[in-house]
Amino acid sequence: DGGITQSPKYLFRKEGQNVTLSCEQNLNHDAMYWYRQDPGQGLRLIYYSQIVNDFQKGDIAEGYSVSREKKESFPLTVTSAQKNPTAFYLCASTPEGTGGAREEQYFGPGTRLTVT
Amino acid sequence: GENVEQHPSTLSVQEGDSAVIKCTYSDSASNYFPWYKQELGKRPQLIIDIRSNVGEKKDQRIAVTLNKTAKHFSLHITETQPEDSAVYFCAAPWGGSTLGRLYFGRGTQLTVWP
Repeated sequence: DGGITQSPKYLFRKEGQNVTLSCEQNLNHDAMYWYRQDPGQGLRLIYYSQIVNDFQKGDIAEGYSVSREKKESFPLTVTSAQKNPTAFYLCASTPEGTGGAREEQYFGPGTRLTVT
Repeated sequence: GENVEQHPSTLSVQEGDSAVIKCTYSDSASNYFPWYKQELGKRPQLIIDIRSNVGEKKDQRIAVTLNKTAKHFSLHITETQPEDSAVYFCAAPWGGSTLGRLYFGRGTQLTVWP
């Protein structure tokens, strides 16, 4: 399962706490993505980054923040402002940065976050 | 952005039968259409994709067809097996944009009964 990794696999937090999910890739990919997956909702894009030090909001960015200081790393912080943070979070990467999404997205194994 | 709709949301078939999942998209400039399979608790994985310069692509028991005029594409699985049971997602990019992202359908839960 090399290539793109996420840690931890399961994460439990108390309501009101910020939590950071890790995503690392050694594929030398330019673009990285964060998705949230809820039952029956498919994959909803939170944030994506096509190049280091640049990122764009996806469809459900409210209550989340990201950084892209290194090509291989794209951590996601779930803040206390996110009203319903319990979900399965998937990170993905693709070789192509600018120019359009025309390549396979490689997904990490996911982090299941539970907030009580 | 792109609007990708996927049907049906659930599909049950008998082992050996065929399964078809359909997706529609809104942007006529979209040019890349992948299908992902996600087994329970696992990561999505690409199973087949098609680019807009072809109408059909096959890989053993799976095939994808594309109708650019009608803006829809379909996944066909023949001779289904229990291990085909999973959630399948279609996706499409926003063709008119240089920004790299895919828009995913909501998924189809396929169950193959032995």
